Amino acid sequence: NAGVTQTPKFRVLKTGQSMTLLCAQDMNHEYMYWYRQDPGMGLRLIHYSVGEGTTAKGEVPDGYNVSRLKKQNFLLGLESAAPSQTSVYFCASHTGKPEAFFGQGTRLTVV
Amino acid sequence: GQQLNQSPQSMFIQEGEDVSMNCTSSSIFNTWLWYKQDPGEGPVLLIALYKAGELTSNGRLTAQFGITRKDSFLNISASIPSDVGIYFCAGPNNAGNMLTFGGGTRLMVKP
Repeated sequence: NAGVTQTPKFRVLKTGQSMTLLCAQDMNHEYMYWYRQDPGMGLRLIHYSVGEGTTAKGEVPDGYNVSRLKKQNFLLGLESAAPSQTSVYFCASHTGKPEAFFGQGTRLTVV
Repeated sequence: GQQLNQSPQSMFIQEGEDVSMNCTSSSIFNTWLWYKQDPGEGPVLLIALYKAGELTSNGRLTAQFGITRKDSFLNISASIPSDVGIYFCAGPNNAGNMLTFGGGTRLMVKP
């Protein structure tokens, strides 16, 4: 049972490049989330999904897009990366009870 | 939106000491969650609280759901080096589809 798996684990991008972060969960969870973690700021919600085919904006959605084409996958896209998007990104999922399970994170550096 | 304030922001203690940290909010929460994040890992759920006044233990950890539903406390007894990490409180919105995190308490334990 892998839980929540994020790929890649590390990435360095140049300003203006695009990329997609993949989150996959094998627990049949309905709810999936993307957070970013910056020093001293805790975890901030970027986008979330309450089921296949649905997405919604969180606290800091600007500069990001998401898609949930399959229940088990939640993709986070950066169309034109900026240095301000340097962060650690976490994916999480849960069943509907709020106890979320987290992936191990993706460390992204934009230079 | 809902905000959670954690204190202290960091603690540096001697092995064997007890630790206490808290989380406060200006709005009411119906569930309180406590997570721990080890260096380089994603947060892992420690304790979930569902009722005002509830006191729940998980080994050396004890958490309480404040009577006003606007605060929660986490205590760690007889700290050990592996307790090092960042401790986050979190709570869901009323719809249960968004989880808000506090800024975290960074715990350092001196052997």
